[in-house]
Amino acid sequence: GNSVTQMEGPVTLSEEAFLTINCTYTATGYPSLFWYVQYPGEGLQLLLKATKADDKGSNKGFEATYRKETTSFHLEKGSVQVSDSAVYFCALSHKGRGGTSYGKLTFGQGTILTVHP
Amino acid sequence: DAMVIQNPRYQVTQFGKPVTLSCSQTLNHNVMYWYQQKSSQAPKLLFHYYDKDFNNEADTPDNFQSRRPNTSFCFLDIRSPGLGDAAMYLCATSGFLGYTFGSGTRLTVV
Repeated sequence: GNSVTQMEGPVTLSEEAFLTINCTYTATGYPSLFWYVQYPGEGLQLLLKATKADDKGSNKGFEATYRKETTSFHLEKGSVQVSDSAVYFCALSHKGRGGTSYGKLTFGQGTILTVHP
Repeated sequence: DAMVIQNPRYQVTQFGKPVTLSCSQTLNHNVMYWYQQKSSQAPKLLFHYYDKDFNNEADTPDNFQSRRPNTSFCFLDIRSPGLGDAAMYLCATSGFLGYTFGSGTRLTVV
């Protein structure tokens, strides 16, 4: 079956430090890959996505590249801010029924990021 | 803006007292999902609908049920909540434009 493995947290950084959160997956075929962010007490927000190999998703200074050869989708940001403190989830899905673009999501376990001033 | 709305944001219920959480969407998406999330763990899929076709995950307890009376609305019913059911419940939809999550309902069982 499908699975997603993220690096264990928590991750604690100083403001303006470089961030990497590793994500690897196991799946058949060519799933779509996602990073979601969850702020305290909130629901999930899509941060970025990639739908095919070598695609790069980017948003708000975050980037991740779909690497089929290493089955990875690592999240990076060059300079983190205190406001980036949150839980980050890597996830995958395959196409859904009836031509819907996305089927069920499989999540990694989440990585807690804390950024200090 | 098209969105997924969950009500209420916070719900307190008594041990064993049935409770219903609601979700509505203005996206006209075919598929709706209910996830359970405990303490910043990964969300766990409980069930999903493709239109009116209900799909239960194998490990979803019988205590949890769902209704989808029309495209826009979906309900999560917990027949006899236990302390272990305290969690954030997330509703999501998916269609050609992708996934959209609601803000969640945090359920407390007292």
